[in-house]
Amino acid sequence: GAGVSQSPSNKVTEKGKDVELRCDPISGHTALYWYRQSLGQGLEFLIYFQGNSAPDKSGLPSDRFSAERTGGSVSTLTIQRTQQEDSAVYLCASSKGLSGNTIYFGEGSWLTVV
Amino acid sequence: GDSVTQMEGPVTLSEEAFLTINCTYTATGYPSLFWYVQYPGEGLQLLLKATKADDKGSNKGFEATYRKETTSFHLEKGSVQVSDSAVYFCALEGGNNRLAFGKGNQVVVIP
Repeated sequence: GAGVSQSPSNKVTEKGKDVELRCDPISGHTALYWYRQSLGQGLEFLIYFQGNSAPDKSGLPSDRFSAERTGGSVSTLTIQRTQQEDSAVYLCASSKGLSGNTIYFGEGSWLTVV
Repeated sequence: GDSVTQMEGPVTLSEEAFLTINCTYTATGYPSLFWYVQYPGEGLQLLLKATKADDKGSNKGFEATYRKETTSFHLEKGSVQVSDSAVYFCALEGGNNRLAFGKGNQVVVIP
C-alpha cells in the first residue's frame, strides 16, 4: 500500500478483555516496528521485526503483550487482560531494512481501556 | 541507556518568527539523529536526519546540525508559517534498531 496502515483506528475495551491491533506495512518493507505513545511516557519502543523474526522483545512492558508477524508482512500486537494503564496510541512503523533506512509511521491505533 | 531531552513546554510564536527547539542526547557510540513532526490528526513523519557529527539535516526550511561536542541537535527555522503548527520530536537511533524519542514540543504559530 501507499503507507503503513493500522486498524482499528480507535478501540474502547473493558478492563480485563483482550485486544488485537493490526499493522499492514508498506509493501516490500522487511522491517516492522511497534511503538506506544502515551501522555505520561511519551513515545516508547515496544518491539521490532526483521522479516518474521523479533530479535528484541525487551521493550514489551509485560508478558500480557505479544506480537507476531506472518509472511513478512502483516503484524498483530495482542494485549491480554487489558489494564487502564494500557490506554495509549499504538504506532506501527516500517522500513526497507534496519539501521540507516527511513522509518515510516502509521497513524496509530488509539486504545482506551475503561 | 540512550535518551533524548527536549526543552520543556509548548512553543507559541507569531508567523514569520524564528523558531528554535533545543534537543540534547545521551548515547554510547555514534547515533543517528532525527527530527519527526506530527501534524494535527496525522501520523509521525520524518522531517530531517543527520547520521554523523557536523552533518546538517534540512527539509522544508528547517535545519538541524549534529553537534557531537555539545551532544545536541537543535531544530531551527528562520520564518515559521501557520502550517508549521505541529508537535516536533527529536529522536536518536544508536545501532540497536530502536528509536529513542524526546517528549516532544507543541509548536503553535499565530497568524
